Amino acid sequence: AQSVTQLGSHVSVSEGALVLLRCNYSSSVPPYLFWYVQYPNQGLQLLLKYTSAATLVKGINGFEAEFKKSETSFHLTKPSAHMSDAAEYFCAVSDGGGFKTIFGAGTRLFVKA
Amino acid sequence: ETGVTQSPTHLIKTRGQQVTLRCSSQSGHNTVSWYQQALGQGPQFIFQYYREEENGRGNFPPRFSGLQFPNYSSELNVNALELDDSALYLCASSFGGGMDADTQYFGPGTRLTVL
Repeated sequence: AQSVTQLGSHVSVSEGALVLLRCNYSSSVPPYLFWYVQYPNQGLQLLLKYTSAATLVKGINGFEAEFKKSETSFHLTKPSAHMSDAAEYFCAVSDGGGFKTIFGAGTRLFVKA
Repeated sequence: ETGVTQSPTHLIKTRGQQVTLRCSSQSGHNTVSWYQQALGQGPQFIFQYYREEENGRGNFPPRFSGLQFPNYSSELNVNALELDDSALYLCASSFGGGMDADTQYFGPGTRLTVL
């Protein structure tokens, strides 16, 4: 069975600082991995996805994530946080691109001025 | 290109009632998946519809049912509502069913409150 663990329900960074949101996954087959962002009272927006093409995946808004099979991790990073990055971030895994996607519990990112 | 839309945006029901939520898929997509997101949690997969047939189901009881129409829009029906059904219900559309489904695009959700 697949699962996702997001380490830290809340992360606080200063504006301009590095953003690091941690995600570990469990999958018996090569996984598809995703990061989504959710702003208050809105749906989910896809930030980036890993589908085995390249281990370093670049997404929108300056975010990127690195797939590390040996560590079963898919951490999300951004070199410099912006106030507009404050939101809830979800890591997700599926067998296929968009089938039975399993989401983590989410990490709330706070950005301090 | 129109995105995924859902209606209504908010809904209040009482225990035991039935509810129908609606979703219009993104142009060109033929697959719709439904998710339940309880407060403070990640979304949970309810089921997927591909070409008008249910094509995979999560751990939800039969009182959660759905339909997909020829234009690929979809409905989620919940019977005998319980307090724990209070959640944000998200619809996602994609192209291709099952393991071949491409990236999902989510709608804004319907907030259901059961009193």
